[in-house]
Amino acid sequence: QLQLQESGPGLVKPSETLSLTCTVSGGSISSSSHYWGWFRQPPGKGLEWIGSIYYSGNTYYNPSLKSRVTISVDTSKNQFSLKLSSVTAADTAVYYCARRPSYYGWFDPWGQGTLVTVSS
Amino acid sequence: EIVLTQSPGTLSLSPGERATLSCRASQSVSSSYLAWYQQKPGQAPRLLIYSASSRATGIPDRFSGSGSGTDFTLTISRLEPEDFAVYYCQQYGSSPYTFGQGTKLEIK
Repeated sequence: QLQLQESGPGLVKPSETLSLTCTVSGGSISSSSHYWGWFRQPPGKGLEWIGSIYYSGNTYYNPSLKSRVTISVDTSKNQFSLKLSSVTAADTAVYYCARRPSYYGWFDPWGQGTLVTVSS
Repeated sequence: EIVLTQSPGTLSLSPGERATLSCRASQSVSSSYLAWYQQKPGQAPRLLIYSASSRATGIPDRFSGSGSGTDFTLTISRLEPEDFAVYYCQQYGSSPYTFGQGTKLEIK
């Protein structure tokens, strides 16, 4: 059964770069049938798609975050990563990773999520 | 960007009752590329429905989705205690993917 697990610092200072990794187990990130995505959910609020990546490195980003976001993949480690630069308190959220079929945009399964707080 | 508006914001019902949740898009969602997710406190979203009306693997048949164009509906035929949660719709017909603000289904 495919599982995803987010990891990374739970506290980031304002203006610094948030870095998270999603580790995939029970399946290969190099599947030609899937893309991998990042989402976030501020406390008590709704969901926002950040971006997606294919195992080849092809990426798609939400225009609202594109200038600050980099998503990368490491097939040797079966991981993909998120970097969000110049963070502010508005970037405080639970960050999730998830998988989607290559030709469709629904996401399943999801990781459990990790809370990242931006504070000095 | 397609804006999704869910209604009602909160729905108060009793176990055994029927729940009808609405998701309206600001423009037509191509090919009915709309999904529904369930989220319980402290948990990740769980896919229920994709392509507007197809149930995801392992989802009970009391959950059903319908609609096309700009109007979509999630129906839960007979509420079980474990169904009380927040429900989100998501469109993937155009980028960026967007979500509705959610409907909270609470026990009356």
